[in-house]
Amino acid sequence: SYVLTQPPSVSVAPGKTARITCGGNNIGSKSVHWYQQKPGQAPVLVIYYDSDRPSGIPERFSGSNSGNTATLTISRVEAGDEADYYCQVWDSSSDYVVFGGGTKLTVL
Amino acid sequence: QVQLQESGPGLVKPSQTLSLTCTVSGGSISSGSYYWSWIRQPPGKGLEWIGYIYHSGSTYYNPSLKSRVTISVDRSKNQFSLKLSSVTAADTAVYYCARGAVAAWFDPWGQGTLVTVSS
Repeated sequence: SYVLTQPPSVSVAPGKTARITCGGNNIGSKSVHWYQQKPGQAPVLVIYYDSDRPSGIPERFSGSNSGNTATLTISRVEAGDEADYYCQVWDSSSDYVVFGGGTKLTVL
Repeated sequence: QVQLQESGPGLVKPSQTLSLTCTVSGGSISSGSYYWSWIRQPPGKGLEWIGYIYHSGSTYYNPSLKSRVTISVDRSKNQFSLKLSSVTAADTAVYYCARGAVAAWFDPWGQGTLVTVSS
């Protein structure tokens, strides 16, 4: 089955840029979606189809996907961005949904 | 806008069947090209896709759970349901229902409901 690999944690100072990676075999050929989950809350879609933002998501959130790595970038990080972030793909070869293990973003 | 709400018992005994229902409001479960989905999250761990159902009744399940999972839809009540049989403590998790775009993303999600498997 397809595997998505995320770093367990990323730390960033307020106002700086955070980059959270999601690794997978030829992930650039798939569409990657990203979710933000704050403690005690349900996940919220923040990026879909690699780089599109749902309405209501700040422009500070952006995404890219190429080769074996997809990246969620959060610019001008705020304290309120502290959360767990998950990447997700649909593995068309097996009709199977895959989530990455999640990355805890800490704002220093 | 579309909202989802999970309901069902919060405590299930080992070897029994876990049953949850997701009620969809603000839109019809039969409209659009959406897959109605179940996803779970064990305490302190990551997200695991369980499966989903199209309004026509077509289903897709996580291969690791397929032998124990049944997802069904009740279009008259605008609800879809999850049954997970022969549960063990490893099935203790927050269970979310969500609307899925075809072969793509999940949005929105329900608030989630914690199901504990314990005698």
